[in-house]
Amino acid sequence: DVKVTQSSRYLVKRTGEKVFLECVQDMDHENMFWYRQDPGLGLRLIYFSYDVKMKEKGDIPEGYSVSREKKERFSLILESASTNQTSMYLCASSLRLNQPQHFGDGTRLSIL
Amino acid sequence: GDSVTQMEGPVTLSEEACLTINCTYTATGYPSLFWYVQYPGEGLQLLLKATKADDKGSNKGFEATYRKETTSFHLEKGSVQVSDSAVYFCALSGTTSGTYKYIFGTGTRLKVLA
Repeated sequence: DVKVTQSSRYLVKRTGEKVFLECVQDMDHENMFWYRQDPGLGLRLIYFSYDVKMKEKGDIPEGYSVSREKKERFSLILESASTNQTSMYLCASSLRLNQPQHFGDGTRLSIL
Repeated sequence: GDSVTQMEGPVTLSEEACLTINCTYTATGYPSLFWYVQYPGEGLQLLLKATKADDKGSNKGFEATYRKETTSFHLEKGSVQVSDSAVYFCALSGTTSGTYKYIFGTGTRLKVLA
């Protein structure tokens, strides 16, 4: 079974800090994704990666960057955290782009 | 642009009642359609999928049929259980002019009472 592991379940940071969210998958999937989930808005795609060192912007990339140095690991970076980035962040992976995604349990991030 | 619209919740049902959660989509091309379920404190899990018109996806007693003529993918279950209480997300994936899209609805919370 595919396992997608997010490094933290809960995280509290301060405004202006640089924040790293880490995600690891163990099934050799080509594609990895970062979403944020907010009440009433569903899931919104921030960035995805279809190969090592390759990335594509999703619908809401502003204020975020990503890094994929190894196939199994995909990091989301908040360069200078702001309060409007308080949210639940979900990582996912898939073998092919149009195939179902496998999700981690999420990181609930609070920016104070 | 592409979009997914699903009925607002919460939906509250008694155990053994019938369930329908409506989902309609707007997309160019021929997207694949999915239903995901999210239990409290967890990430999303794939519930079922359909990749072309008239396909029926099914799993754990849930069903949904890809209806291209009505651009719909409604989720149904004949008899719900308390353990079905969760948030359900409709989603589509596809490419438009070489651009990849994976779009989720806003989610519908289902509460089943014993």
